[in-house]
Amino acid sequence: DAGVIQSPRHEVTEMGQEVTLRCKPISGHNSLFWYRQTMMRGLELLIYFNNNVPIDDSGMPEDRFSAKMPNASFSTLKIQPSEPRDSAVYFCASSFLETQYFGPGTRLLVL
Amino acid sequence: SQKIEQNSEALNIQEGKTATLTCNYTNYSPAYLQWYRQDPGRGPVFLLLIRENEKEKRKERLKVTFDTTLKQSLFHITASQPADSATYLCALDMVDNTDKLIFGTGTRLQVFP
Repeated sequence: DAGVIQSPRHEVTEMGQEVTLRCKPISGHNSLFWYRQTMMRGLELLIYFNNNVPIDDSGMPEDRFSAKMPNASFSTLKIQPSEPRDSAVYFCASSFLETQYFGPGTRLLVL
Repeated sequence: SQKIEQNSEALNIQEGKTATLTCNYTNYSPAYLQWYRQDPGRGPVFLLLIRENEKEKRKERLKVTFDTTLKQSLFHITASQPADSATYLCALDMVDNTDKLIFGTGTRLQVFP
């Protein structure tokens, strides 16, 4: 298996623009997580899906953030409109039993 | 609320020595604890899981202890090598019957030749 796949790997955008991050989890994993990592706050859980259903979105910062998982092999995290404070590395992870497998991340810079 | 603390200062040690990293937590009792390694520009990679009823677990040069009374886990790397240089994150389950984890901020380890 290729592991968790994320795209794009890097994204530079201007404030106010819409940003869409994509994730393909490992086949057979039934849980998917979106995290945000910054130097100040570390790794923060944004949203958790189980069997394609959003279970916990309490970590989503505000209404500008939304996430979907239309099927077991694809998820998106959208930020609209983006702001400079959204600049961070965004990770997607999928899990089998208790272990999480992370993708390479998307480094987002909002100017 | 749950709180996890890892030493935010980098740990610098000489090759061949044993590196010991600490993870302390408060305000709850996790069923298990995990350690992950993160290299610059990459996502965290799972290393070890230890359950609340286990005192110690080993994997090659790695050893993890879990003291539920002290609410502390120690992560040891014996015979450390420069290739062990990375940031190490501890993560605890959220005790809610899901696979969700709370991550510490990590400790950066630097092993010098």
